[in-house]
Amino acid sequence: DTGVSQDPRHKITKRGQNVTFRCDPISEHNRLYWYRQTLGQGPEFLTYFQNEAQLEKSRLLSDRFSAERPKGSFSTLEIQRTEQGDSAMYLCASSFSGLAPYNEQFFGPGTRLTVL
Amino acid sequence: AQTVTQSQPEMSVQEAETVTLSCTYDTSENNYYLFWYKQPPSRQMILVIRQEAYKQQNATENRFSVNFQKAAKSFSLKISDSQLGDTAMYFCALENDKVIFGPGTSLSVIP
Repeated sequence: DTGVSQDPRHKITKRGQNVTFRCDPISEHNRLYWYRQTLGQGPEFLTYFQNEAQLEKSRLLSDRFSAERPKGSFSTLEIQRTEQGDSAMYLCASSFSGLAPYNEQFFGPGTRLTVL
Repeated sequence: AQTVTQSQPEMSVQEAETVTLSCTYDTSENNYYLFWYKQPPSRQMILVIRQEAYKQQNATENRFSVNFQKAAKSFSLKISDSQLGDTAMYFCALENDKVIFGPGTSLSVIP
């Protein structure tokens, strides 16, 4: 069982640069979520996919953020023209929306972004 | 709008003692699910316990149990026989399609 994996685990970038993060969910999971977590806070929902369809985007997800899940498997989150306020942990989670009515999410280790 | 509030930013408990973490929430939905997640220092978030809103019976999972008061929109977590490995951030979460997390409670178990 490989669980949810995220790459890279840490990213340091300069303000104005673009960054891209990758998430590989648990293979049979059809839902994939992105969250942002700042120090001492709970995860804030950014967006989620069911298979390859992006079903919801938070207002937190500005135009500089884009997420894709092209084949319904892995997902990428890109941040363009990074700002210092983008510094945070970016968490990915996956779940199987099917037989069970609830949505137990399995989280990855996160990508910690530092914008200098 | 759905919200989750955890009014205790930090708590501590002696090893082997019992501690209760508080959570209140607000939603206009009738069908939803509630979760407690644990995030140990520098480790991944994992599910501790879940509760279906349509069930009156409180969920239990070994040393972890909840007190679910639907009318009061309260969902507290009780940890019995606290262990050093319980030291972590604990997040209360509400799910109705997407999941809304509370700000978390940092629990320290003291030897």
